[in-house]
Amino acid sequence: GAGVSQSPRYKVTKRGQDVALRCDPISGHVSLYWYRQALGQGPEFLTYFNYEAQQDKSGLPNDRFSAERPEGSISTLTIQRTEQRDSAMYRCASSTGQRHSPLHFGNGTRLTVT
Amino acid sequence: ILNVEQSPQSLHVQEGDSTNFTCSFPSSNFYALHWYRWETAKSPEALFVMTLNGDEKKKGRISATLNTKEGYSYLYIKGSQPEDSATYLCARGGDDYKLSFGAGTTVTVRA
Repeated sequence: GAGVSQSPRYKVTKRGQDVALRCDPISGHVSLYWYRQALGQGPEFLTYFNYEAQQDKSGLPNDRFSAERPEGSISTLTIQRTEQRDSAMYRCASSTGQRHSPLHFGNGTRLTVT
Repeated sequence: ILNVEQSPQSLHVQEGDSTNFTCSFPSSNFYALHWYRWETAKSPEALFVMTLNGDEKKKGRISATLNTKEGYSYLYIKGSQPEDSATYLCARGGDDYKLSFGAGTTVTVRA
């Protein structure tokens, strides 16, 4: 079946604008994770959901970042009043929710704030 | 160890040689250790998920071991081939279900 889908693939925005990044997980996957990845680094945890419940948002850098998954499927990561330091690859991953199950990653959204 | 650490950061291997590298992680409240293979311009793909101390997993020429008591895992590549060139990421899962990743070991196999 289809993998994890993220949109847009690339987003260029001006400093101060709001952006919304979308993630469509694998059908039936209970858990959904958001990660941010800087060049040459491993993914950095932002937040994760089980169904529609946000279980952990400890990795969100500040209150300009928020995420939702209202119906337990598609998720949106929103960054308000973007800053240049927000530029990165934002990756979404989903899993079955069983603790030994691997993550399936999307292709990511490359965000550039000018 | 407070974070997931991988060493070395990068390594170069001659085609046909074998190699290995390390993932170190906090051993307290441990649940699972994941290994992912990440090729440039693609998304990370899962290799192994290990949960038990002493676990060994194998996939073709790649294998991994796990020591949960001392908090480390080794990934081995036997008879490296150019297609093994990639960044290998490990991630630790704890009681909180959160997966924390290391920065990766980038392997370059020279023909």
